[in-house]
Amino acid sequence: GQNIDQPTEMTATEGAIVQINCTYQTSGFNGLFWYQQHAGEAPTFLSYNVLDGLEEKGRFSSFLSRSKGYSYLLLKELQMKDSASYLCAVGSNYQLIWGAGTKLIIKP
Amino acid sequence: SQTIHQWPATLVQPVGSPLSLECTVEGTSNPNLYWYRQAAGRGLQLLFYSVGIGQISSEVPQNLSASRPQDRQFILSSKKLLLSDSGFYLCAWSEPTSTGELFFGEGSRLTVL
Repeated sequence: GQNIDQPTEMTATEGAIVQINCTYQTSGFNGLFWYQQHAGEAPTFLSYNVLDGLEEKGRFSSFLSRSKGYSYLLLKELQMKDSASYLCAVGSNYQLIWGAGTKLIIKP
Repeated sequence: SQTIHQWPATLVQPVGSPLSLECTVEGTSNPNLYWYRQAAGRGLQLLFYSVGIGQISSEVPQNLSASRPQDRQFILSSKKLLLSDSGFYLCAWSEPTSTGELFFGEGSRLTVL
């Protein structure tokens, strides 16, 4: 079967760093995506990894290890507006398989 | 630039009533189109996808149907809604040769009473 696991909820403090992990088992692999979704809104694209290693984009970085079926999203200098759900998705056979999302709560 | 729009944004429907959600994409040709449903606290569930006019693939058996009457128009329908059809419905598009990155519409919140 196809499975993507990520923590249900995480809490962090404004200005701190948080790492959201994602593990996957899929029949195919065309890359791994991270999306951000604020409550009641549609998901928006954050990052894409297809090769092993770290991709940095401003305050957000995403890491991939294909051999381990593992990725993480790293958020630095957290701001209150970063409070949202973060969705991990794997491209498999030209469709996206989605995790249930990690709700990130930022406290002042 | 490409844009995607879906409507209505919110609707409350009685059990047994019909449903029609519409989605249109502008600024691109022959996009792949998708309908997803997101239940509270759950991941995105792919309902239908389309690679061209009249070509619809269904991922989950249910009382919903989809149609693509024009290249950039995607419609989600039901003849008789069930309580379990409540949820947040998202239309999305991707380039036909892309790695899979999706661009989402604003979403439609359906409550079936």
